[in-house]
Amino acid sequence: QVQLVQSGAEVKKTGASVNISCKASGYTFTSYAMHWVRQAPGQRLEWMGWINAGNGDTKYSQNFQGRVTITRDSSARTAYMELSSLRSEDTAVYYCARRHDYGDYWGQGTLVTVSS
Amino acid sequence: DIQMTQSPSSLSASVGDRVTITCRASQGISNYLAWFQQKPGKAPKSLIYAASSLQSGVPSKFSGSGAGTDFTLTISSLQPEDFATYYCQQYNSYPLTFGGGTKVEIK
Repeated sequence: QVQLVQSGAEVKKTGASVNISCKASGYTFTSYAMHWVRQAPGQRLEWMGWINAGNGDTKYSQNFQGRVTITRDSSARTAYMELSSLRSEDTAVYYCARRHDYGDYWGQGTLVTVSS
Repeated sequence: DIQMTQSPSSLSASVGDRVTITCRASQGISNYLAWFQQKPGKAPKSLIYAASSLQSGVPSKFSGSGAGTDFTLTISSLQPEDFATYYCQQYNSYPLTFGGGTKVEIK
């Protein structure tokens, strides 16, 4: 069965970067894109970007002003999302989800807490 | 960016009720709309894609309809496990955007 397992919770200082991993199993990793979505407390889901796991092409939301970088390691069946220049407003649960358009399978989420 | 507006933002219903949730896009999105269910502390779960196609494994009590700017999600007979927050999402254009959610609570 398809599974996406994300790395554990992170606590970061303002201005730092965070890197979250998403390990896939149960399907051909390179056949699907992986996208990243976050959810701040009490807020709606917010799309961040996606990566074509086959060729590495990426698409990002301009709302993050170049702070997001998504990569993948096909041999490890893992996608990564790095968010830099962290602010308190980046405190949220971050999800990976399979596909480039709508997520048919989601990771369990990774809580990132940003404080000064 | 395409704005997605859901209504109502919350509703109270009883087990067995038929529930309808509406999602409106700020511009036409054809049928590029998905619906998700999210329970507290859990990841969203895909229910519907392409406005009306049921995701594999999702019970047929869930149905979706609409095209263009107006869409609905219907739960034909609400069960205890259906109490959750429901979100719509458009994937017609970037950035992908989500509605604000509809919380379905027990009356």
